Amino acid sequence: QVQLEQSGAEVKKPGASVKVSCKASGYTFTSYGISWVRQAPGQGLEWMGWISTYNGYTSYAQNLQGRLTLTTDTSTSTVYMKLRSLTSVDTAVYYCARDGTSYCGGDCWEDFWGQGTLVTVSS
Amino acid sequence: EIVLTQSPGTLSLSPGERATLSCRASQSVSSSYLAWYQQKPGQAPRLLIYGASSRATGIPDRFSGSGSGTDFTLTISRLEPEDFAVYYCQQYVTSPRTFGQGTKVEIK
Repeated sequence: QVQLEQSGAEVKKPGASVKVSCKASGYTFTSYGISWVRQAPGQGLEWMGWISTYNGYTSYAQNLQGRLTLTTDTSTSTVYMKLRSLTSVDTAVYYCARDGTSYCGGDCWEDFWGQGTLVTVSS
Repeated sequence: EIVLTQSPGTLSLSPGERATLSCRASQSVSSSYLAWYQQKPGQAPRLLIYGASSRATGIPDRFSGSGSGTDFTLTISRLEPEDFAVYYCQQYVTSPRTFGQGTKVEIK
């Protein structure tokens, strides 16, 4: 069965960086892109960016350009999300999610989601 | 960026009643590239509908989606106790994919 297993909760100080992993299993990893979505406490969902696990192509939300980097390691079927220069507004649960169809090129819904990783930014 | 506006913000209904949720886009969502998700407290979102009207695998047929262009609707024909949750629409026709702000369906 399809599973996305995310790394554990993080506590970071303002100005630091965080790197969250998302390990996929149960399907052909390079056939489906992965998106990252975050949710601040009590708030709605914010799409952050997407990576093609086939060729590494990325697309980022404009408000996170320059701070967000998505990478993929096909040898371990893992996608990484790194966010730099953290502030308190980055405190959120971060989700990875798989594209709904294979090779959709970024124009896709998300069908399977990870369990979420809480990132807390606090001095 | 396409802005999605969901209404109402909160829907108070009783089990067995029909729920109608609206999602309006700031510009046309071509090819009906619109999805609906359900989220319960402490859980990740769950895909309900994609392509505006296609039910995801395992989703009961009491959930249905409709609409095109800028106006979309999620209908729950008869609310079950497990359906009380927050519902989000999402467009994926252009980057960034954007979500609506959510509609909470609560028990009356």
